[in-house]
Amino acid sequence: QQPVQSPQAVILREGEDAVINCSSSKALYSVHWYRQKHGEAPVFLMILLKGGEQKGHDKISASFNEKKQQSSLYLTASQLSYSGTYFCGTDHSGSARQLTFGSGTQLTVLP
Amino acid sequence: NAGVTQTPKFQVLKTGQSMTLQCAQDMNHEYMSWYRQDPGMGLRLIHYSVGAGITDQGEVPNGYNVSRSTTEDFPLRLLSAAPSQTSVYFCASSYSMRANEKLFFGSGTQLSVL
Repeated sequence: QQPVQSPQAVILREGEDAVINCSSSKALYSVHWYRQKHGEAPVFLMILLKGGEQKGHDKISASFNEKKQQSSLYLTASQLSYSGTYFCGTDHSGSARQLTFGSGTQLTVLP
Repeated sequence: NAGVTQTPKFQVLKTGQSMTLQCAQDMNHEYMSWYRQDPGMGLRLIHYSVGAGITDQGEVPNGYNVSRSTTEDFPLRLLSAAPSQTSVYFCASSYSMRANEKLFFGSGTQLSVL
């Protein structure tokens, strides 16, 4: 079951904030976040394990709500370099051997 | 370190032809996998391997074969190419398949089947 990401696309000005959501219909063990720039490979951002932890990476952070079976990615004071497509990958078993990815959120940051 | 290396970068096939997409990693990773990426569909898992000699099917395995004879290499074979297999293919690896291991992706192979 593919996780549902929202929004599908978002356009921001430099310095604005954005939130990307990832929801699953099944209980989650972990959520992985990746960013892909056009024509390139996806690049790892962070992993959240069940337990409701929040993680941060520069001005990008994420939360994991086990009860709601969802994760949110927060981009604050966005920079031009944040543009790209963001994917969440969900794991339901405690083993990331079969990550299921969402269809992606296209983020565009304008000057 | 080269990381995950995929070849070729681009390939055009005719329907019915066969070919092998190559993937190699030099990080001594236990887990390797193949994904396909289609517009609006995200990444879908084709096959994966948790070690040499061990492979298993992912979400969309039909029409593809894999083998893992060494830790480093994980080729993907298209047996009889079909237009529906036109896609971008990514190979990915991680140190293990534990939930907290991140994936390292190759640069991708853009395949067109005419």
